[in-house]
Amino acid sequence: QKEVEQDPGPLSVPEGAIVSLNCTYSNSAFQYFMWYRQYSRKGPELLMYTYSSGNKEDGRFTAQVDKSSKYISLFIRDSQPSDSATYLCAMMDDYGQNFVFGPGTRLSVLP
Amino acid sequence: DAGITQSPRHKVTETGTPVTLRCHQTENHRYMYWYRQDPGHGLRLIHYSYGVKDTDKGEVSDGYSVSRSKTEDFLLTLESATSSQTSVYFCAIASVSTSTDTQYFGPGTRLTVL
Repeated sequence: QKEVEQDPGPLSVPEGAIVSLNCTYSNSAFQYFMWYRQYSRKGPELLMYTYSSGNKEDGRFTAQVDKSSKYISLFIRDSQPSDSATYLCAMMDDYGQNFVFGPGTRLSVLP
Repeated sequence: DAGITQSPRHKVTETGTPVTLRCHQTENHRYMYWYRQDPGHGLRLIHYSYGVKDTDKGEVSDGYSVSRSKTEDFLLTLESATSSQTSVYFCAIASVSTSTDTQYFGPGTRLTVL
């Protein structure tokens, strides 16, 4: 079993839809949870950052962490074609030496 | 890209040749990382550095070595490139390994080993 699992997609949605992206993990030591967005042929860029369990909202983006289920989610409201990218979840323990990425989900938002 | 550059951006080389990739930062961050990204595997850590001359292995370090003689530069060397090392290589930096900061990525180097 991989340490972090993520549905690779591709996920295609119409413009304006609510998108739900998810990751599951197995290491209970993870405390920091990140979502990165990666456009084609570019480096990943940090989108959301959460510590421990709970929700965090930033504009159209909401990150949720459920540590009891070892499950994290990223919701995108009113999705736009410019949201089309690969979304990577990442996790880190308290010591900062175990930083693991999910394989990424490719999202296409169709106009 | 948070003051991170990578060179070269593209390289094609032959099996058995040595290759060095360079990561340069202008942020004076302590931590630097090298990842490779392959379809179906996401980003996998090769090596990382927690200070000048301080480095450690990551998940996929076999066949790679690194050096950090200055805060701003982190070099990744493939001593004898193999076709399995064809990949996109990303450098990342962080000011602290934990707390409120996290990693920022460079633009990547696309390496093809024939």
